[in-house]
Amino acid sequence: DAKTTQPPSMDCAEGRAANLPCNHSTISGNEYVYWYRQIHSQGPQYIIHGLKNNETNEMASLIITEDRKSSTLILPHATLRDTAVYYCIVRPSGNTGKLIFGQGTTLQVKP
Amino acid sequence: DGGITQSPKYLFRKEGQNVTLSCEQNLNHDAMYWYRQDPGQGLRLIYYSQIVNDFQKGDIAEGYSVSREKKESFPLTVTSAQKNPTAFYLCASSTTGTSPLHFGNGTRLTVT
Repeated sequence: DAKTTQPPSMDCAEGRAANLPCNHSTISGNEYVYWYRQIHSQGPQYIIHGLKNNETNEMASLIITEDRKSSTLILPHATLRDTAVYYCIVRPSGNTGKLIFGQGTTLQVKP
Repeated sequence: DGGITQSPKYLFRKEGQNVTLSCEQNLNHDAMYWYRQDPGQGLRLIYYSQIVNDFQKGDIAEGYSVSREKKESFPLTVTSAQKNPTAFYLCASSTTGTSPLHFGNGTRLTVT
């Protein structure tokens, strides 16, 4: 199964864009990249996912490199409520529904 | 509102006792999952079920059991065989395919 690597922590100024990187160099051609975030003692919240094209929704944008070995989650205007642990996940092939979570990036948005 | 309900939010048990964690969803999702999270770590898959009356072991199934008698419900039993049961337990559900998982708000189990 493909694994992901994320920096353990990042800071961002309130109102600025937060760019969270993720490496997934062993990703297979039919595996999607998912992003979730988790605020302490709550369940993870789905943010966005993509296969190879860039994606945007009301929460964030997802930029996937052409070789699909890495991606970046962009929160365009970070707020204090965006402080959370962000998980980049590659969904394994075979459609078992399993998501393999890594350690995540703790994003601290500062005023 | 549609969603996933886990109860209770906090649960305390004595060592050697079995305990069952509840997970109910009204999203009409076929698939349901149980994860365990330890402090400062990511989620690890315990069991998952893609349809009623069928389930598969995840990466850390030892010491746990599940049932899926109804589409809406996927209870998890933490047995006395689980060596380190104290953890945060999360239930999730999804439709089939590559649709995202929806998570409940978890049950924090403490065994002493």
